[in-house]
Amino acid sequence: EDQVTQSPEALRLQEGESSSLNCSYTVSGLRGLFWYRQDPGKGPEFLFTLYSAGEEKEKERLKATLTKKESFLHITAPKPEDSATYLCAAPRGRGSTLGRLYFGRGTQLTVWP
Amino acid sequence: DTEVTQTPKHLVMGMTNKKSLKCEQHMGHRAMYWYKQKAKKPPELMFVYSYEKLSINESVPSRFSPECPNSSLLNLHLHALQPEDSALYLCASARGLAGSYEQYFGPGTRLTVT
Repeated sequence: EDQVTQSPEALRLQEGESSSLNCSYTVSGLRGLFWYRQDPGKGPEFLFTLYSAGEEKEKERLKATLTKKESFLHITAPKPEDSATYLCAAPRGRGSTLGRLYFGRGTQLTVWP
Repeated sequence: DTEVTQTPKHLVMGMTNKKSLKCEQHMGHRAMYWYKQKAKKPPELMFVYSYEKLSINESVPSRFSPECPNSSLLNLHLHALQPEDSALYLCASARGLAGSYEQYFGPGTRLTVT
């Protein structure tokens, strides 16, 4: 069964303490893997799309990587403003499922000063 | 510009009211989406429009009625809602339905049904 699983559910980091969030997927014929950031009460903000194993993308303190089974969101020297829920998602297959995304349940990141 | 706008930001309505949520994008995207999100859960797909035609209805109750007047606008008409319909309603758009196109989300409408 196709699915997307994120870990950990919650992560608390001290400011400057680097770490990684994991998104594992079992989606056949992956056509992309998306990362979003969501602040409480707001809509998800698009961060990255990864299309193929080995691909990496960076934005400020964030770096996303993709392997054949999982994706990592590396956070280098995080700041309190990086606190948010990070969601990963993968598009579903073809035909009747086109347009749908599998979402992970998210990792709630808290960075304290 | 990758902005999707939604109005209103907050909405409180009684179970007998009729109200509408509005969504707008000017990115030339041809796919538009409505999602419902409960606290600490991922967004849950409700409807998808492609080229202004309803493409997906995820078995949503008829008290939710979507409308796509043109390629930039998406409405969600609400009638006779239940308290359990209280949630954050998100609009999103994408270049198309192809899975490789990322979806851009609006800020959401926080709906409370009393």
